[in-house]
Amino acid sequence: AQSVTQLDSHVSVSEGTPVLLRCNYSSSYSPSLFWYVQHPNKGLQLLLKYTSAATLVKGINGFEAEFKKSETSFHLTKPSAHMSDAAEYFCVVRINFGNEKLTFGTGTRLTIIP
Amino acid sequence: DTGVSQNPRHKITKRGQNVTFRCDPISEHNRLYWYRQTLGQGPEFLTYFQNEAQLEKSRLLSDRFSAERPKGSFSTLEIQRTEQGDSAMYLCASTLGSQETQYFGPGTRLLVL
Repeated sequence: AQSVTQLDSHVSVSEGTPVLLRCNYSSSYSPSLFWYVQHPNKGLQLLLKYTSAATLVKGINGFEAEFKKSETSFHLTKPSAHMSDAAEYFCVVRINFGNEKLTFGTGTRLTIIP
Repeated sequence: DTGVSQNPRHKITKRGQNVTFRCDPISEHNRLYWYRQTLGQGPEFLTYFQNEAQLEKSRLLSDRFSAERPKGSFSTLEIQRTEQGDSAMYLCASTLGSQETQYFGPGTRLLVL
């Protein structure tokens, strides 16, 4: 079975400062890992994905994440927060056979302080 | 807009009524997934289709729930005899095939009174 743990339910940062959203995963097999973002009243949008190629993955809007197998982590970072980054962020794991369902973490709400 | 669409966006119903939601996936996407998201939680897998075949159902999907994808294109999710615990956001996602990215629709928010 696979699972993800998002270590912070809520993160607040000032505009222009770095963002760090933490995620640890558990999987019996080599997984694919994703970060999705959910803005209010909008659908889930893919930020970035790791699929066993480069361990440092770059996504949209300046976000990136690093896959660390030894730490079973996939933390999301951004050098400088923007007001438009305020949203709910989900770390997601997928096993690459069978139903390939997505298993979501409980989410981290990111608040940007002007 | 060529993304995944869902209708209706919002549904309020009384306990015991039946409701039906529709999902239109991205054209030519052969896999379609349904997820449910309750307040403060991440989405949870309910069921998925490959073309018109429903290949797996989660234990979360009680006998009151049924999903179809009759021609391998749009899908419907029906809940019979709704209960207050069914109140949630119902999300649909589609993907082109194995190990491809899942693209999500905006969801249908259900409130059962």
